[in-house]
Amino acid sequence: GQNIDQPTEMTATEGAIVQINCTYQTSGFNGLFWYQQHAGEAPTFLSYNVLDGLEEKGRFSSFLSRSKGYSYLLLKELQMKDSASYLCAVRDNAGNMLTFGGGTRLMVKP
Amino acid sequence: DADVTQTPRNRITKTGKRIMLECSQTKGHDRMYWYRQDPGLGLRLIYYSFDVKDINKGEISDGYSVSRQAQAKFSLSLESAIPNQTALYFCATSEVSGEQFFGPGTRLTVL
Repeated sequence: GQNIDQPTEMTATEGAIVQINCTYQTSGFNGLFWYQQHAGEAPTFLSYNVLDGLEEKGRFSSFLSRSKGYSYLLLKELQMKDSASYLCAVRDNAGNMLTFGGGTRLMVKP
Repeated sequence: DADVTQTPRNRITKTGKRIMLECSQTKGHDRMYWYRQDPGLGLRLIYYSFDVKDINKGEISDGYSVSRQAQAKFSLSLESAIPNQTALYFCATSEVSGEQFFGPGTRLTVL
């Protein structure tokens, strides 16, 4: 089975740094994805980790520890437009099947 | 032009009606997926197809059926809609590996 946990909501201040955590317990693992979803819109791909360590992409970074079943998404220099939900998803071994967590709604305040 | 399109974007229907949601893609991907999204529950997989002749049930397939008419088209049907199928429905596509690309979604309300 698959179990993926993320905080439901977070609040942060414009210009600050925020870390969104994701823990998973899955029967198979072939990579972890982070997606951004603005209200009422489609999820859009942010990052992908399959090996342990940090992947950096501009203001966004994602970290993975496979032994701990843990990932985080780090957002730096927060902007108001970063207010959105952030979805963590784990891919299984059998194919390109993704299991999603419930998402973390991030509110950025001035 | 959008790579993954869904029609309709919004639909209100009544209990017991048959509904079809359509998805088309121009990305040339073999793999296509249907998800539903409910508040607080994230995205849940309904059906997926790895090529035109391949259809598989996902986590929550009861009450739904699909048809893969061509590589570019994957439709989702609700044979007899019920109120708890009110949700936001997303179609997605992918290559064998790599990220999934999502359509804009269909907001379905069943009264």
